[in-house]
Amino acid sequence: DAGITQSPRHKVTETGTPVTLRCHQTENHRYMYWYRQDPGHGLRLIHYSYGVKDTDKGEVSDGYSVSRSKTEDFLLTLESATSSQTSVYFCAISTSTNEQFFGPGTRLTVL
Amino acid sequence: AQSVTQPDIHITVSEGASLELRCNYSYGATPYLFWYVQSPGQGLQLLLKYFSGDTLVQGIKGFEAEFKRSQSSFNLRKPSVHWSDAAEYFCAVGSPSGSNYQLIWGAGTKLIIKP
Repeated sequence: DAGITQSPRHKVTETGTPVTLRCHQTENHRYMYWYRQDPGHGLRLIHYSYGVKDTDKGEVSDGYSVSRSKTEDFLLTLESATSSQTSVYFCAISTSTNEQFFGPGTRLTVL
Repeated sequence: AQSVTQPDIHITVSEGASLELRCNYSYGATPYLFWYVQSPGQGLQLLLKYFSGDTLVQGIKGFEAEFKRSQSSFNLRKPSVHWSDAAEYFCAVGSPSGSNYQLIWGAGTKLIIKP
């Protein structure tokens, strides 16, 4: 258990509304990641962070932004949610040997 | 290009039978190799990992995997599956010298257990 929590765990929102998902870790890991998981697509990287205020894009970053103002928190924001962003979102941390540990996930539904 | 292939989208196995899930990768050098399991409605859990040394690695829940450099494979095995092993299994590779610790993920194999 890498002490990773995600909030909220479930959210239903409407198209066009902003949504922020939070990932919190308790073990001071430098690297944090946001993935989305959709049937048939496996895990796809949205954004990642390599330190406070240091972030970079993943393969499916369009429509998402992130922020990391503290080591322990990594926020994912959908500025204007669309139905295509209905998904399960996972946060992860990485150790220095590339092992990633995952949070429990957030199920987001955009109506 | 770097990639991970899990050729089987679904595999059905009878309870008590042996299991092998395939994973092939394309990578410039010997990567770090991982298998993760995801039970329905849950997050991903690390089953086992290979960094170097002995090519047969043991993991949790009775799983093992064998790294075969000549075949660029890292197949997951279990001698006798239990109904609780029904889940989705993901293979992933990472760079030993990477600067961002990203993993490249396979698409997953869903394991179905027949009673």
